[in-house]
Amino acid sequence: EDKVVQSPLSLVVHEGDTVTLNCSYEVTNFRSLLWYKQEKKAPTFLFMLTSSGIEKKSGRLSSILDKKELSSILNITATQTGDSAIYLCAVEAPGAQKLVFGQGTRLTINP
Amino acid sequence: NAGVTQTPKFQVLKTGQSMTLQCAQDMNHNSMYWYRQDPGMGLRLIYYSASEGTTDKGEVPNGYNVSRLNKREFSLRLESAAPSQTSVYFCASSEAPWYEQFFGPGTRLTVL
Repeated sequence: EDKVVQSPLSLVVHEGDTVTLNCSYEVTNFRSLLWYKQEKKAPTFLFMLTSSGIEKKSGRLSSILDKKELSSILNITATQTGDSAIYLCAVEAPGAQKLVFGQGTRLTINP
Repeated sequence: NAGVTQTPKFQVLKTGQSMTLQCAQDMNHNSMYWYRQDPGMGLRLIYYSASEGTTDKGEVPNGYNVSRLNKREFSLRLESAAPSQTSVYFCASSEAPWYEQFFGPGTRLTVL
C-alpha cells in the first residue's frame, strides 16, 4: 500500500530561523510529489516535483526531491510569522489516479 | 472564477440523520475528490472521480456515498451520520489525476 510519512509532525521556531521539513514515500512507480500549505482553511499548492524536475524554488521556499532516498525536503529560510501553517506532502503514482497525503507538519513561527 | 465551492460551510447533525455535501468547480476539471481531515491525520481520501461518469473508493469510504452529477458537480452523502464522522470535509478538483489539486473552503461537520 502506498504510504507517505512526514517529519517532524510539529515544529516551533523563532522568526528568522531556517526550517527543513521532510517527506518520505513508499509508492510504486512514483510519478510526482506535491507540497501544499494549509493555513486556517483549504490547502494551497506550493510545488510539484517530478522525475524530470527535482528542485523547485519560490522566494524563501525551496524543495528538493531525492529519488534515490525516496524523499523530499521543503526548506523555508528567514521564516516569518506568516509561514505558520500545516505543510502537507502528497505523492501521485501512475495508475493510482489519486494523491496520497502525509499527516502534515504543523509549523509555528514565534515573533 | 469561484474555483471550488462547497456547501454548507458548517453543519450539526444528530446521530442517524442524513445529509448531502455539495461541491462544484468552474475550472472545467475532469477529476474531483472528497477528503476528510481530522486532527493529526492529514487528508484522507473518501471517494474520487477521475473523470465524469466514474467514481472510486478512497482510503476511508465506509459510511459515505458519492454522485458525480456532471462534470462540474460532485456530491458526498452521509446516509446515517455517526459521531465518528465529525470532521472537516474538503472537496478538490484537478485537470487530471497527475496535476495539482485545487481545494474548496471546507465543511465543518459535527455529529452529536
